[in-house]
Amino acid sequence: GAGVSQSPRYKVAKRGQDVALRCDPISGHVSLFWYQQALGQGPEFLTYFQNEAQLDKSGLPSDRFFAERPEGSVSTLKIQRTQQEDSAVYLCASRLAGGYNEQFFGPGTRLTVL
Amino acid sequence: KNEVEQSPQNLTAQEGEFITINCSYSVGISALHWLQQHPGGGIVSLFMLSSGKKKHGRLIATINIQEKHSSLHITASHPRDSAVYICAVRSNYGGSQGNLIFGKGTKLSVKP
Repeated sequence: GAGVSQSPRYKVAKRGQDVALRCDPISGHVSLFWYQQALGQGPEFLTYFQNEAQLDKSGLPSDRFFAERPEGSVSTLKIQRTQQEDSAVYLCASRLAGGYNEQFFGPGTRLTVL
Repeated sequence: KNEVEQSPQNLTAQEGEFITINCSYSVGISALHWLQQHPGGGIVSLFMLSSGKKKHGRLIATINIQEKHSSLHITASHPRDSAVYICAVRSNYGGSQGNLIFGKGTKLSVKP
């Protein structure tokens, strides 16, 4: 069965480059979350989609971060002009509608900014 | 102060030992999750609970809502249990959104 998939799994970028991280949620999952996990830390919330609507982007650390989910399925997290402090694992999770349902996590994308 | 605190941060055990990882939280929650994260980043959900106790194989999770505390127990630990265990709470904030707030994780290493 297909779980949440993310690509690429690893990304190395030079400081100042733009990157795009992709998340394919479980089919039929209405809710989609992006989290950022710095080394040695727990994940932290970035943004939340319900279908194509971005309902909460309060966790995005700066205006260099942008997320979209134009058709309510695949989502892309874009980071412009990457900085070294953006180095982290970016996790995507999806869930059926309803906050009481369990979130299913993807394997993450490890971003390293040199 | 973090909203979700875990202890210990690091734990080394001998194979066969009984292990306890603790989680305390300070926000109102609708559910608490215990998650397992292996090297490479992937997160697997072990338990989601809002009251009482759940058991799955050698894993037991308990929660005390009044005390805002949960524990994850591993009986007869094995080297393959070595991983980072993360406590995450689903806050009441935001209604049905269900954001998770994570602890920093407990790194468990089980030696043969």
